[in-house]
Amino acid sequence: DTEVTQTPKHLVMGMTNKKSLKCEQHMGHRAMYWYKQKAKKPPELMFVYSYEKLSINESVPSRFSPECPNSSLLNLHLHALQPEDSALYLCASSQEARGSSSGNTIYFGEGSWLTVV
Amino acid sequence: GQNIDQPTEMTATEGAIVQINCTYQTSGFNGLFWYQQHAGEAPTFLSYNVLDGLEEKGRFSSFLSRSKGYSYLLLKELQMKDSASYLCAVRDRSSNYQLIWGAGTKLIIKP
Repeated sequence: DTEVTQTPKHLVMGMTNKKSLKCEQHMGHRAMYWYKQKAKKPPELMFVYSYEKLSINESVPSRFSPECPNSSLLNLHLHALQPEDSALYLCASSQEARGSSSGNTIYFGEGSWLTVV
Repeated sequence: GQNIDQPTEMTATEGAIVQINCTYQTSGFNGLFWYQQHAGEAPTFLSYNVLDGLEEKGRFSSFLSRSKGYSYLLLKELQMKDSASYLCAVRDRSSNYQLIWGAGTKLIIKP
């Protein structure tokens, strides 16, 4: 069962709000990811967690704050966002953050549609 | 530099066969992935190639030639539900093993 679940599916927030996106996987994967996707563009990597430690931050603005409470959970805390941050936010997981085996496929959740007003 | 190219849009007929090409230039090739993404949904994994040759999975097949920096995704017996974007992505050692994405090919299936 390759399932990554994300909540909420849709979120509308004001520029002064604080909100969080949540992600959960029960596949025993040790790598978890946040991606951002704008319309008609490919996913853009934001953060990678490997064994619950932040291993990659793709120079993401500090108004996005990731958190990995345990190996199954990944959060993205949002504060003081801008309208241009409106996008589909995708959580994903894989067995490892590195490696070339076919078992290291990245599986995506259904995404959270974020609108900043 | 790193670059992945795929056609922006393709049109095919229901029941037919279509081939979506992907060419890439990366410094540390470590596998190539194809994902399908329907409008408004998340990408779903279709196939993975790390060695040269053809991988077949039902109606979908994916081919890789590492020497040519080339892959294709072959879709047979097209169905209307195959209308989607198809994303080619290469895992690259020089990018911390993260995926380098093509811009995606929008496939339109006509009756």
